[in-house]
Amino acid sequence: NAGVTQTPKFQVLKTGQSMTLQCAQDMNHEYMSWYRQDPGMGLRLIHYSVGAGITDQGEVPNGYNVSRSTTEDFPLRLLSAAPSQTSVYFCASSYGRFGGDYYQETQYFGPGTRLLVL
Amino acid sequence: AQSVTQLDSHVSVSEGTPVLLRCNYSSSYSPSLFWYVQHPNKGLQLLLKYTSAATLVKGINGFEAEFKKSETSFHLTKPSAHMSDAAEYFCVVGSLESAGNQFYFGTGTSLTVIP
Repeated sequence: NAGVTQTPKFQVLKTGQSMTLQCAQDMNHEYMSWYRQDPGMGLRLIHYSVGAGITDQGEVPNGYNVSRSTTEDFPLRLLSAAPSQTSVYFCASSYGRFGGDYYQETQYFGPGTRLLVL
Repeated sequence: AQSVTQLDSHVSVSEGTPVLLRCNYSSSYSPSLFWYVQHPNKGLQLLLKYTSAATLVKGINGFEAEFKKSETSFHLTKPSAHMSDAAEYFCVVGSLESAGNQFYFGTGTSLTVIP
């Protein structure tokens, strides 16, 4: 059981380039999310998915796309990288949703991807 | 609306002395509250979570937190700091605000432990 895995660990891009950050989980979790972490700002939600084929925007979605074709994978695409997207990106997953019997659910985080956009 | 305020961006304690990391939350619903720890260049690890079963929650590595509804607080404590506790700590509130499973993170408290 590998948990949540992310690749690559580190990436340098030039402004305008595109790339995909990979995220996979082997826990059969329905819910997956992408966050970015910037100094002094905690983690901010970019996009999330409540199941295969279903995605939605979080707090800071501009410049990013996601898709969820399988339960296991939730890639994050940078369409045209900008220096403002320099950050550490974390993928997370959880089994259930808030509300009802699943009100409190734990998110499991990947190790992160450090992205530098020049 | 949900929000989390971590009252101290940096806390410094001596090894062996108590740790107090403060967190206040705002939630329209009965909240789901968590503390996560992040060691340098590592991912986030769950320390503990509030499940509404008990107001005093015990977590890993000797940490605990007390949920106080009247004060809307969820402070993290540890009786005796260890060098290995030096890390960034995040208070998190879970939200039923939308169909998604949304977490709101505080801005973090950096804990330094002095030998």
